[in-house]
Amino acid sequence: SQQGEEDPQALSIQEGENATMNCSYKTSINNLQWYRQNSGRGLVHLILIRSNEREKHSGRLRVTLDTSKKSSSLLITASRAADTASYFCATDAIKTIFGAGTRLFVKA
Amino acid sequence: EAQVTQNPRYLITVTGKKLTVTCSQNMNHEYMSWYRQDPGLGLRQIYYSMNVEVTDKGDVPEGYKVSRKEKRNFPLILESPSPNQTSLYFCASGRWGGGYEQFFGPGTRLTVL
Repeated sequence: SQQGEEDPQALSIQEGENATMNCSYKTSINNLQWYRQNSGRGLVHLILIRSNEREKHSGRLRVTLDTSKKSSSLLITASRAADTASYFCATDAIKTIFGAGTRLFVKA
Repeated sequence: EAQVTQNPRYLITVTGKKLTVTCSQNMNHEYMSWYRQDPGLGLRQIYYSMNVEVTDKGDVPEGYKVSRKEKRNFPLILESPSPNQTSLYFCASGRWGGGYEQFFGPGTRLTVL
């Protein structure tokens, strides 16, 4: 299995701070997806970044992609307690490979 | 409301007792998948389906079966469950719209004793 790896595995920050999560993957990709999972619940799609994009924004989210390094990062700015969740990168394919995820805890 | 539903949500069973976890979506998506989630391993794809009667293996298909007789339903079958299949299972439906976006069910927590 060519699973992605995420770094850090867990992150604890104060409300208002920025949170950065990194994802490295092994396969060649067309695009990369990011998902969020609240504790024990189903994943929710956050953002897609295409292989020809280096950066993409959506609200407080900023995603970067470096296909030469096979890595991506997700930045959440001005974090809130409600951002507490696990975040996963995933290949943009029907045969999907997910990263192991980063558990983010935002303290109020 | 657009959704993916799974049943049961929680199940405790014993080794060898066949079980089925149902999955249904009301978004008319062609694509559906099953995943298992284990601590520290993220989600691993068990099977996926690209349309009715079209299924294929994901990363961890051993010990599982699926069927896709109708577009909306994609049941996961464990013919002879074993303790190493204790896990949190997610069904998802997907669509292509500039990228492959998946919509997940609420999960089924399975314990095999």
